[in-house]
Amino acid sequence: SAVISQKPSRDICQRGTSLTIQCQVDSQVTMMFWYRQQPGQSLTLIATANQGSEATYESGFVIDKFPISRPNLTFSTLTVSNLSPEDSSIYLCSVLHGNQPQHFGDGTRLSIL
Amino acid sequence: DQQVKQNSPSLSVQEGRISILNCDYTNSMFDYFLWYKKYPAEGPTFLISISSIKDKNEDGRFTVFLNKSAKHLSLHIVPSQPGDSAVYFCAASPNAGNMLTFGGGTRLMVKP
Repeated sequence: SAVISQKPSRDICQRGTSLTIQCQVDSQVTMMFWYRQQPGQSLTLIATANQGSEATYESGFVIDKFPISRPNLTFSTLTVSNLSPEDSSIYLCSVLHGNQPQHFGDGTRLSIL
Repeated sequence: DQQVKQNSPSLSVQEGRISILNCDYTNSMFDYFLWYKKYPAEGPTFLISISSIKDKNEDGRFTVFLNKSAKHLSLHIVPSQPGDSAVYFCAASPNAGNMLTFGGGTRLMVKP
């Protein structure tokens, strides 16, 4: 299965700033996703990162708050903008290739001061 | 509206015994179901899956059962080992190769 490198693994940020999370895969994959896991909660899909075009966002998530890039088939970034305490979560990148099970990175643990 | 539910937030089992984790879903369009295991500070790891054309899939100590009429699936781990202690997530999708909807997770503790 694909090896996913997600950076940073954790960060502590000030309110009002932004954090960009990177997801690098060691092979080309069909689809890349971004999830959020709030404390004590399940995984919620933020968006599907589309290669060469705008991401497809789920209900409750908007591009201004969570801009996403996917310049090629192995790399994507998620930015969490204008950070507030409610954004303290684990953010996870996942990949899908063909009919293989979705495979996850180790996540980025974000805390807001 | 939670389309995938895991009603037991936690489960404690003795080592060597069977662990049974349950999952219910409401969306009739779901045809592909997966179980993931998650350790702290790691991403979810795929365990086992089942498509709706089957009612059982087995992989070593892990077996998933699907009751499509009841919209219910379960994961059986036997024998349970202390290393199985983790949070287990049930997930569902309209088909393999599509986005997943996750349940809330069940924390399994296997006591030596």
